[in-house]
Amino acid sequence: QKEVEQNSGPLSVPEGAIASLNCTYSDRGSQSFFWYRQYSGKSPELIMFIYSNGDKEDGRFTAQLNKASQYVSLLIRDSQPSDSATYLCAVRTGANNLFFGTGTRLTVIP
Amino acid sequence: SQTIHQWPATLVQPVGSPLSLECTVEGTSNPNLYWYRQAAGRGLQLLFYSVGIGQISSEVPQNLSASRPQDRQFILSSKKLLLSDSGFYLCAWSNRDNEKLFFGSGTQLSVL
Repeated sequence: QKEVEQNSGPLSVPEGAIASLNCTYSDRGSQSFFWYRQYSGKSPELIMFIYSNGDKEDGRFTAQLNKASQYVSLLIRDSQPSDSATYLCAVRTGANNLFFGTGTRLTVIP
Repeated sequence: SQTIHQWPATLVQPVGSPLSLECTVEGTSNPNLYWYRQAAGRGLQLLFYSVGIGQISSEVPQNLSASRPQDRQFILSSKKLLLSDSGFYLCAWSNRDNEKLFFGSGTQLSVL
């Protein structure tokens, strides 16, 4: 079982809709959770992080964490074509253990 | 503010040739430094990390090596490249609290 799993997609949503990206992890001791956005041919960019159960909002982005169910999600409201990218979920389980999922490719259709 | 520089952006090398990729961080002291590789269609694979000058931990046995000659400089090397070394190489840094990880712009390496 992989430490972090994501649906590879592609996930297509119309412009203005809510995009919902999900991630599950295997280690119950995981402490920190991150979402990165990666445009094609570019490096990953940190867009959200969450440490506690519940929701964390930053602009159009909301990260949701449920430790009991071992999943973390990212909601993107009012999706824009510029949001089209691959979104990587990362989970930290220890000092130097940061595991990345393989990413979900999101396409926002104008 | 902190910045991370990584070069070159693209590199095409023949099999058996040497490799040297360099990464430097500005605006912070004593960062943790990392080298990742991202193969096409695959996730990020941690290759090396360093918590200080001369301190290198290897995550995956392979023909690559890393060195940290200065606090904010991290180098990835190989004496002889293999075809399987092709990929997108990313340098990254984090503060000592080891939380958020920030990536350089990456090097696309093609071994032919």
